[in-house]
Amino acid sequence: LAKTTQPISMDSYEGQEVNITCSHNNIATNDYITWYQQFPSQGPRFIIQGYKTKVTNEVASLFIPADRKSSTLSLPRVSLSDTAVYYCLVGSYSGAGSYQLTFGKGTKLSVIP
Amino acid sequence: DTEVTQTPKHLVMGMTNKKSLKCEQHMGHRAMYWYKQKAKKPPELMFVYSYEKLSINESVPSRFSPECPNSSLLNLHLHALQPEDSALYLCASSQNRVPGNTIYFGEGSWLTVV
Repeated sequence: LAKTTQPISMDSYEGQEVNITCSHNNIATNDYITWYQQFPSQGPRFIIQGYKTKVTNEVASLFIPADRKSSTLSLPRVSLSDTAVYYCLVGSYSGAGSYQLTFGKGTKLSVIP
Repeated sequence: DTEVTQTPKHLVMGMTNKKSLKCEQHMGHRAMYWYKQKAKKPPELMFVYSYEKLSINESVPSRFSPECPNSSLLNLHLHALQPEDSALYLCASSQNRVPGNTIYFGEGSWLTVV
């Protein structure tokens, strides 16, 4: 199964840009990289997804280098409400050829006033 | 509308009880999932239904029994659970199960086994 590696935790002050990098050395050729945000006691919320180069939406940007072995989630000007766990996911195929997404350990982002 | 609705939000059950968790989506998605999440841990995949057929069972004990009555509904039947089964149970759905499909999660059902 594909595996992702992220920092366990990060601290940032309000108003700063935060970059969280995820390593996924064994990503499959046709797979995408997806990031989720999770607040305590809530379900994960989709943030952004990309295949290569750069993707931007209203809340974040995702940078993916040409070799696709890593990706960086960029959160502009974070606020206290961005304190959460951020998960980077890539898919994998089981022995039976079944595609699934598996969560890694995630990065706990703490935004400091 | 990207909403997955789970009921109940909280459930307390004894080890001899039989209860069910319910999940509903009206996005026309044909893949539905159950995940289990313990405190301070990432979600772990339990079951996947694709076109109302069970396609993944991640070696989950038989005291958890999934059911997909139709393409919009997903149930998780619980029987003879143990205290260590207390966790947040997350339902999710996606258009289908190919790379690039976004998975949408519900808010979860908190289960406490006493």
